[in-house]
Amino acid sequence: EVQLVESGGDLVQPGGSLRLSCAASGFTFGSFEMTWVRQAPGKGLEWVSYIGQSESITNHADSVRGRFTIYRDNADKSMFLVMNSLTVEDTAVYYCARWSRNALDVWGQGTTVTVAS
Amino acid sequence: EIVLTQSPGTLSLFPGERATLSCKASQAVSTTYLAWYQQRLGQPPRLLIYGASRRATGIPDRFSGSGSGTDFTLTISRLDPEDSAVYYCQRCGSSSCTFGQGTKLEIK
Repeated sequence: EVQLVESGGDLVQPGGSLRLSCAASGFTFGSFEMTWVRQAPGKGLEWVSYIGQSESITNHADSVRGRFTIYRDNADKSMFLVMNSLTVEDTAVYYCARWSRNALDVWGQGTTVTVAS
Repeated sequence: EIVLTQSPGTLSLFPGERATLSCKASQAVSTTYLAWYQQRLGQPPRLLIYGASRRATGIPDRFSGSGSGTDFTLTISRLDPEDSAVYYCQRCGSSSCTFGQGTKLEIK
């Protein structure tokens, strides 16, 4: 079964850091581009970060550029999002998703990040 | 940056009716890059349509996508109570994505 499972979400204070993980199974992970998408409480979907099949190409939304870093370990079938200098505006459910044919065809269940003092 | 604007904000219809959801782009979008998603309450999004008109695996033919340029449409025929959800259009390409703000579909 094709599956993505996120972990690492937590309650963190403003200015803090967190690392999210996304574990893939059921497909050839290294053959796919991957992304992170987030959803603030009661809000719509916001694309956050992108990584190519290798780590040679990454991209981030303006709202997180310079604070978030995306990387992957193809041997371990995992993707990560390192989040620094967190603010309350970063509070959201974070989803990892597989990029295929310019769409996101497989999604995880999400992991919740809460930034609050 | 391309902005996607969805309308209406909320749509309330009866079972068996047809729903027509609109997504307008601030500049022309290649059909290759336009997708639609369904998100039921408490669930992650699910891909419905990619390439503007191609149904994703396992999506019933009640769901169809159309459009080109700046105007795209998701049509859901013969509405079922399980279609109650928020629907998003999205443009993914060149290592970034943009989502519309969503249309909430309520089944009476």
